Amino acid sequence: QVQLVESGGGLVKPGGSLRLSCAASGFIFSDYWMSWIRQTPGKGLEWISYISPGGTTTNYADSVRGRFTISRDDAKNSVYVQMNSLRAEDTAVYYCGRVGSTVKAGFVDYWGQGALVTVSS
Amino acid sequence: DIQMTQSPSSLSASVGDRVTITCRASQDISNFLVWFRQKPGKAPQSLIYAASSLHSGVPSKFSGGGSGTEFTLTITSLQPEDFATYYCQQYDTYPPTFGGGTNVEIK
Repeated sequence: QVQLVESGGGLVKPGGSLRLSCAASGFIFSDYWMSWIRQTPGKGLEWISYISPGGTTTNYADSVRGRFTISRDDAKNSVYVQMNSLRAEDTAVYYCGRVGSTVKAGFVDYWGQGALVTVSS
Repeated sequence: DIQMTQSPSSLSASVGDRVTITCRASQDISNFLVWFRQKPGKAPQSLIYAASSLHSGVPSKFSGGGSGTEFTLTITSLQPEDFATYYCQQYDTYPPTFGGGTNVEIK
């Protein structure tokens, strides 16, 4: 069965950096686009980034563009998000997702359980 | 960005009840809509795509309808495992955007 397991969350100071990882299993990872989505109590769910198979194409939400970088290692069945210049408003649970369809803007069909990132001094 | 508005934000129901949740888009999104549910501390679970098609393994007690700007998710014969928060998401236009959620609670 499809499994996605995030890791790397934690507490970081404003302006700091953090890298989240997502280990995938149960499907041919290299065939799928992957995504990161975050959730906060105040703003709800927010899509933040996509990456294509092979990593040749990436896309970002305006709120994180220039600060976050998505990447993948198909040999390790893993997708990552490097988060720099973190702000208090980046505090959220971050979910990794497998993109089930790339029709139009696409959607996630399988989600991980999430990793909590807290940005606070 | 397209705004997605769900109603109600919460509802109370009993085991065995039938419930309907509504999701409205701020502009026409055709049928490019998904529904999923989330239980505390668990991975969100996909239910429906293309407004009315069931994801693999999702029971037929879940049904989706609508097109354009108004959509519904109906759950028949509520069971204890169905008490959760339900979300819609549009994928017609970048960026994908989500509704605020409907919390289905036990009465």
